[in-house]
Amino acid sequence: NAGVTQTPKFRILKIGQSMTLQCTQDMNHNYMYWYRQDPGMGLKLIYYSVGAGITDKGEVPNGYNVSRSTTEDFPLRLELAAPSQTSVYFCASSSKRDRVNEKLFFGSGTQLSVL
Amino acid sequence: AQKITQTQPGMFVQEKEAVTLDCTYDTSDPSYGLFWYKQPSSGEMIFLIYQGSYDQQNATEGRYSLNFQKARKSANLVISASQLGDSAMYFCAMREGSGNTPLVFGKGTRLSVIA
Repeated sequence: NAGVTQTPKFRILKIGQSMTLQCTQDMNHNYMYWYRQDPGMGLKLIYYSVGAGITDKGEVPNGYNVSRSTTEDFPLRLELAAPSQTSVYFCASSSKRDRVNEKLFFGSGTQLSVL
Repeated sequence: AQKITQTQPGMFVQEKEAVTLDCTYDTSDPSYGLFWYKQPSSGEMIFLIYQGSYDQQNATEGRYSLNFQKARKSANLVISASQLGDSAMYFCAMREGSGNTPLVFGKGTRLSVIA
């Protein structure tokens, strides 16, 4: 059972470079999320999607872009990387039914350093 | 304003003892769900336990139980018979029931189990 798959696991970027973090899930979940976790902190929501073609901003969207062309994939794009974007990035998904008690299924995370 | 507050940055517990990790939350929505996740040093996010705002009884999952005090807006995690493998970061999170609201996380508590 693959669940939520994130690639790459580690990446080092130079300031000003761009990259895309990939996320795919095979559980046919409608809801997908991108969180970032700074050292010693909790998770902050960057963007989320309630289905293909629909995305919305979270708490910390600046410097990022997302797209949702299929149910399975939810890539996160970093344009003009900055040191403040050094973080661990988690992709997660949940199904549509029973919204309040729906737990999130997380990917294994991407550790990104911008130098 | 912080919706989820975890006031204990770090906790120590002796192996085989019980430990309580504190979590308070803030919401005016009568329908909400509270979650606890574990993050071991390997980095993945592991779902532990869920409590709904309308649930009459405290949730339990094996050695994990949730001490839910609705009037005090607290949802403390109790781990009984601590094991060395319980050493990890623990995050409390909440989803509010109205609208399309994602999961909001606290800053976490680092638990260290001592042999």
